[in-house]
Amino acid sequence: AQTVTQSQPEMSVQEAETVTLSCTYDTSESDYYLFWYKQPPSRQMILVIRQEAYKQQNATENRFSVNFQKAAKSFSLKISDSQLGDAAMYFCAYRNSGNTPLVFGKGTRLSVIA
Amino acid sequence: EPEVTQTPSHQVTQMGQEVILRCVPISNHLYFYWYRQILGQKVEFLVSFYNNEISEKSEIFDDQFSVERPDGSNFTLKIRSTKLEDSAMYFCASRGPGTGQPQHFGDGTRLSIL
Repeated sequence: AQTVTQSQPEMSVQEAETVTLSCTYDTSESDYYLFWYKQPPSRQMILVIRQEAYKQQNATENRFSVNFQKAAKSFSLKISDSQLGDAAMYFCAYRNSGNTPLVFGKGTRLSVIA
Repeated sequence: EPEVTQTPSHQVTQMGQEVILRCVPISNHLYFYWYRQILGQKVEFLVSFYNNEISEKSEIFDDQFSVERPDGSNFTLKIRSTKLEDSAMYFCASRGPGTGQPQHFGDGTRLSIL
């Protein structure tokens, strides 16, 4: 079974600075998808960014980018120019191709310091 | 932007009672999911639904749980005889056609069992 590991339970960053959240996963599949979801205190689950495993180019969405290292099974999230609104729980998630469920990591709680 | 809507936002129920959680997925989506998140823990998959039948279910999804798409728009999760340990945030998600499409989550229903 696939597993997702987020080794940083909590992180903090100064406003306007850059922070990187770590995620590793374990799979024997070659075709899969990776996601970062943000969960603010309101408890919504908001998609931040996604990466297809067959794409070598790292995904970017405005201030959010990933460092996808397929051989190392690593999928870190970089947040640039951190804002107070970025404070949330961040979940890394994995999905096989096809209609398969997401497998989530335990999350990293990010605090942004003004 | 279309979104997944869930009702109610908070449900308080006596232990042993039946509860129905409702979800309206995004209209052109074909794949539907329920996840739960016990307070302070990671998000766990319950069940996936496609073409009017369950595609996959986890070991959590035992006989007390059922899902239904009664009218082509709503997607419901029923818990027949609630237990204290069913207290959690329940998230509905839907996904459009195309293997790489991400799952979009509703805001969740907080279920409290007394």
